[in-house]
Amino acid sequence: NAGVTQTPKFRVLKTGQSMTLLCAQDMNHEYMYWYRQDPGMGLRLIHYSVGEGTTAKGEVPDGYNVSRLKKQNFLLGLESAAPSQTSVYFCASRPTGIGNEQFFGPGTRLTVL
Amino acid sequence: QQPVQSPQAVILREGEDAVINCSSSKALYSVHWYRQKHGEAPVFLMILLKGGEQKGHEKISASFNEKKQQSSLYLTASQLSYSGTYFCGTDGGFIQGAQKLVFGQGTRLTINP
Repeated sequence: NAGVTQTPKFRVLKTGQSMTLLCAQDMNHEYMYWYRQDPGMGLRLIHYSVGEGTTAKGEVPDGYNVSRLKKQNFLLGLESAAPSQTSVYFCASRPTGIGNEQFFGPGTRLTVL
Repeated sequence: QQPVQSPQAVILREGEDAVINCSSSKALYSVHWYRQKHGEAPVFLMILLKGGEQKGHEKISASFNEKKQQSSLYLTASQLSYSGTYFCGTDGGFIQGAQKLVFGQGTRLTINP
């Protein structure tokens, strides 16, 4: 099993450009999450999904959109990138049920110039 | 609201013990602990649930005081591999069944030989 994978690993954008980050999991998990992590800070939840076709906002959703068309994939989109979106983005997934941990992907390092 | 971790950083010699604390202003359903090494994804350590149930690695111990809304992670006889940043994630209950975690700012642990 590959677990949780993220594409791409690194990306540099210019202000105003758009891009999509892909998260894929092969563990048949229902729940998926997108976080951002800024230097010296914890993880902040951007958006999450409780199942195929459903998404919801987290703590810091502004400037991002998501889609979950297939259960195994969770896409994070930046329509018009801003320097404030320079960060490391982590995807995570979790099975249903109480007391289950989140499994994290390796992260995508995004720089917006 | 973000839980508060203390201390922010700690330096130990190999073999020494450490305690990392996580405190929330909200009532908690569960507390999750993760360790992150530089440039890597967070890795699951332990979950503590309201009511006393725990799930995690055998060599890691933790406590959860529901009344005080606090959790502590105990690292005994520390090894060099314990170095990294430790995050607690707190959850106030199931919202849409998604178990949304709010992470603390992290505690940086350095183990020296």
